[in-house]
Amino acid sequence: GAVVSQHPSWVICKSGTSVKIECRSLDFQATTMFWYRQFPKQSLMLMATSNEGSKATYEQGVEKDKFLINHASLTLSTLTVTSAHPEDSSFYICSAMTGYEQYFGPGTRLTVT
Amino acid sequence: GQNIDQPTEMTATEGAIVQINCTYQTSGFNGLFWYQQHAGEAPTFLSYNVLDGLEEKGRFSSFLSRSKGYSYLLLKELQMKDSASYLCAAYNNAGNMLTFGGGTRLMVKP
Repeated sequence: GAVVSQHPSWVICKSGTSVKIECRSLDFQATTMFWYRQFPKQSLMLMATSNEGSKATYEQGVEKDKFLINHASLTLSTLTVTSAHPEDSSFYICSAMTGYEQYFGPGTRLTVT
Repeated sequence: GQNIDQPTEMTATEGAIVQINCTYQTSGFNGLFWYQQHAGEAPTFLSYNVLDGLEEKGRFSSFLSRSKGYSYLLLKELQMKDSASYLCAAYNNAGNMLTFGGGTRLMVKP
């Protein structure tokens, strides 16, 4: 079956620093990857759609200069949270699309102190 | 625009049957997904309906009515491990987007 990995699975960083999260499709090529954010007891919120070789499409209200997305290859997309603040603490989940199906990564729990 | 509605919480008894409803209003609709999500984990795929009707997969079944903008997830022979959030999501083929509902937290009690 299709497998998506994320790294790291959890990270604690200090306010003002930047954090990079990697999302990899391990056994398939994904032309489209998605980045979601989920706060406790809330549903997934789409942050951006990432297409290989082109700029990401950000959802309304998501700052593209703060959440940098790079989709350099068909198996890797990265999300960098720049100048992180405590309110950025959340569960970040990526998914990769193959056909009609989206396969989710295990998520990255970010805590900003 | 996209609008997905599902109940916030439901409670059911172990061994019983529960139906979780989802209504949607979305342009470019091309299918309805159901995902299960346990606390602190990423969602896992349960079902995908494109055509009207009921699809059964073990203890879980999913139904879709495109004309009514309505879907439900049916869970039979409930087990304690079925306690989780259940997310419905409408697939929009314009931009390959999934729009998620708010999720239904199901609590299964002994």
